Amino acid sequence: GAGVSQSPSNKVTEKGKDVELRCDPISGHTALYWYRQSLGQGLEFLIYFQGNSAPDKSGLPSDRFSAERTGGSVSTLTIQRTQQEDSAVYLCASSQGLGLGYTFGSGTRLTVV
Amino acid sequence: DAKTTQPNSMESNEEEPVHLPCNHSTISGTDYIHWYRQLPSQGPEYVIHGLTSNVNNRMASLAIAEDRKSSTLILHRATLRDAAVYYCIPEEYGGSQGNLIFGKGTKLSVKP
Repeated sequence: GAGVSQSPSNKVTEKGKDVELRCDPISGHTALYWYRQSLGQGLEFLIYFQGNSAPDKSGLPSDRFSAERTGGSVSTLTIQRTQQEDSAVYLCASSQGLGLGYTFGSGTRLTVV
Repeated sequence: DAKTTQPNSMESNEEEPVHLPCNHSTISGTDYIHWYRQLPSQGPEYVIHGLTSNVNNRMASLAIAEDRKSSTLILHRATLRDAAVYYCIPEEYGGSQGNLIFGKGTKLSVKP
């Protein structure tokens, strides 16, 4: 597609449930990033994939968070046993590689009630 | 990682030039300087980036100080649509750390 696509655009879930967020990067982009943004706050880095290298998971806030990228394309961010503090907009970006411009998706707004 | 300092907020009048400053005194010689902006309720979008020379594109100009310890994003004629949070981000080119670190940025308000 022409841009980075994220789904769903909005997700409301009950505390304790698991959620999966999907990111479809721009075709041919080797790097893919996940960030989250709590209301009124800046962007917090979560995880980064580059080609076939092991992902940089240094930003994941707890072991309830995990992400995978299948076939070097689509990525799924999974949050297990969601908590209210997980409520945020989850943003995905892709780029052609290091040092090159990122294209962000519109994000998934997650609300944990 | 190089640390950045930006004003929390700035105001501009429509159709006037805007100069958004950024200090990055600990930047290394291989760090590119990236600027992104985030319009309300949207993901960030790329604006411009440069290494040493001043850069121009259709969105903005980037003026980089000779010592590279500061840079200025220039919007030549602000429009209402330019109201956004602007982030200045040094990024290590070719390094092992590929993720951009977003600070708090500068919130630009544009008055009609």
